[in-house]
Amino acid sequence: DGGITQSPKYLFRKEGQNVTLSCEQNLNHDAMYWYRQDPGQGLRLIYYSQIVNDFQKGDIAEGYSVSREKKESFPLTVTSAQKNPTAFYLCASSIKGEQPQHFGDGTRLSIL
Amino acid sequence: SQQGEEDPQALSIQEGENATMNCSYKTSINNLQWYRQNSGRGLVHLILIRSNEREKHSGRLRVTLDTSKKSSSLLITASRAADTASYFCATDSYGNKLVFGAGTILRVKS
Repeated sequence: DGGITQSPKYLFRKEGQNVTLSCEQNLNHDAMYWYRQDPGQGLRLIYYSQIVNDFQKGDIAEGYSVSREKKESFPLTVTSAQKNPTAFYLCASSIKGEQPQHFGDGTRLSIL
Repeated sequence: SQQGEEDPQALSIQEGENATMNCSYKTSINNLQWYRQNSGRGLVHLILIRSNEREKHSGRLRVTLDTSKKSSSLLITASRAADTASYFCATDSYGNKLVFGAGTILRVKS
């Protein structure tokens, strides 16, 4: 079955530590996205990529970094510069220039 | 930035009743989409309505769009306990970046 796989499902970060969230898709989509969801709020766009080796900042990119070396993969690193990283992180993909977006099941990040 | 605002924030109904959720937005759009999110899961796309469409149906779902009022509504008919979830509207303003509202939490009691 085609879909988006996010791992791990739960992740804990220590003070000063960088952590990387994985997102893999086998839908052959060019575009991929990372969102952050806080309790009681909608999704906010962190980064997005329309093509391999290219990505753009979203609305809340500070403290995060991404790479897009392969079409299937779009990992997100939450750096120590992100002072409030506790949230639910969702990855999505779509055909470039088209909607809708298809979502993974998320990674919940907490602080130790 | 959040463009869409859903109303109500929470809705509790009995199984078999209809549920109506509303979404308002601020700028012109290419399309508006509705997504469902079960607790602790990712979002599932329900329906997309383009800016030149006024109404769209999919099974028990009916979506309307009024671009003059910058608003949309999602109607779920004959609700079931399995419809219990959060529902989000998302607008695409010609940039392929979706802007989501804060969502409506729907609880369907059996």
